[in-house]
Amino acid sequence: GAGVSQSPSNKVTEKGKDVELRCDPISGHTALYWYRQSLGQGLEFLIYFQGNSAPDKSGLPSDRFSAERTGGSVSTLTIQRTQQEDSAVYLCASSSEGLAGAYEQYFGPGTRLTVT
Amino acid sequence: GDSVTQMEGPVTLSEEAFLTINCTYTATGYPSLFWYVQYPGEGLQLLLKATKADDKGSNKGFEATYRKETTSFHLEKGSVQVSDSAVYFCALDRDDKIIFGKGTRLHILP
Repeated sequence: GAGVSQSPSNKVTEKGKDVELRCDPISGHTALYWYRQSLGQGLEFLIYFQGNSAPDKSGLPSDRFSAERTGGSVSTLTIQRTQQEDSAVYLCASSSEGLAGAYEQYFGPGTRLTVT
Repeated sequence: GDSVTQMEGPVTLSEEAFLTINCTYTATGYPSLFWYVQYPGEGLQLLLKATKADDKGSNKGFEATYRKETTSFHLEKGSVQVSDSAVYFCALDRDDKIIFGKGTRLHILP
């Protein structure tokens, strides 16, 4: 079966532009997670969805970041007025339920964002 | 807050050498502990996990034991192969999210 897919795989944008990153989770997975992987910072949690609601947005680094999920499936992460420090690989993961320890998270290949 | 600290890399070993990658954690309560691996050009994938104290997770010849007394979850393998070259992340779960260490890059020389 298909795994988690993300698009685009690479995105280069100019500082100040808005970008949208997309995640298609594994079919039937109710939980969806966004992480950011950057040099020197490792992997940072951004936001978690259970169904269409986001009970934990604590990791979003600023109000320029937002995310939504529709139909309990596809999610988009939007970064407004991008800054160079937003350059990173953005990873999406899904699991069959929440409670990270109980259910394995399956990761997508990531979107590499470069802000010039 | 909760955190994970793992040894900095890169770690370079010869094939068939013994591997240890140290990992310690700080957390309230008793989280589940994980090792994730990211092979070159591939996505992050779960290598092994342990959900309670004294549990041993194992997969592909790798092992790690959940040590509550030392708050550690060190990754070990008795004989590494070139194909083990990757970045390894130690992690714990807290409230539906996973908190990762910064990763350790492992190079295995033939």
